[in-house]
Amino acid sequence: DADVTQTPRNRITKTGKRIMLECSQTKGHDRMYWYRQDPGLGLRLIYYSFDVKDINKGEISDGYSVSRQAQAKFSLSLESAIPNQTALYFCATSEWTGSSYNEQFFGPGTRLTVL
Amino acid sequence: GENVEQHPSTLSVQEGDSAVIKCTYSDSASNYFPWYKQELGKRPQLIIDIRSNVGEKKDQRIAVTLNKTAKHFSLHITETQPEDSAVYFCAALQEGTYKYIFGTGTRLKVLA
Repeated sequence: DADVTQTPRNRITKTGKRIMLECSQTKGHDRMYWYRQDPGLGLRLIYYSFDVKDINKGEISDGYSVSRQAQAKFSLSLESAIPNQTALYFCATSEWTGSSYNEQFFGPGTRLTVL
Repeated sequence: GENVEQHPSTLSVQEGDSAVIKCTYSDSASNYFPWYKQELGKRPQLIIDIRSNVGEKKDQRIAVTLNKTAKHFSLHITETQPEDSAVYFCAALQEGTYKYIFGTGTRLKVLA
């Protein structure tokens, strides 16, 4: 089945370390998103991309960067991790059909802990 | 900025009763409103959605209503079952930016 996958699923790191979270999809979707989830705060958008050449900041992009290496791959980097970046991170994809919007499909999530 | 408010944050109902979760959005250009269910330790999954040209949509025990004038939309679950226990998120898609703005979630507990 076509899916959205994330690696790693869990990561513990130390303050100041550089971390990369990876997302791959086999759905053939053009749009990819990175969210973080914190208790009581819902899903907040970090970055999103509509194709390889199109990257956009979301509402909480400070301290993060992204790379869209191919249509199927979208990576999120924390250049210098800090404890308040401890959260559950989700990648998501969606497809623009030219006439309608469609649901987002989420990856399984990456639980990141910054000590 | 754009905002989606969701209430209540927690909701407990007896099995068989109905549950209603409400969301309000700020951007009148929003035109697509999905609802996601997230079970413990799992990823969010779409359960129902509605587009701005429709006022109501039903799928078995689940329904969504949209009031564009008031910028409100609601999720209705009838005949609740223990497996309905989860966190539910509403979202609004902004026309133009194509960003999905999520509510803060409602933890639903269905008591057997």
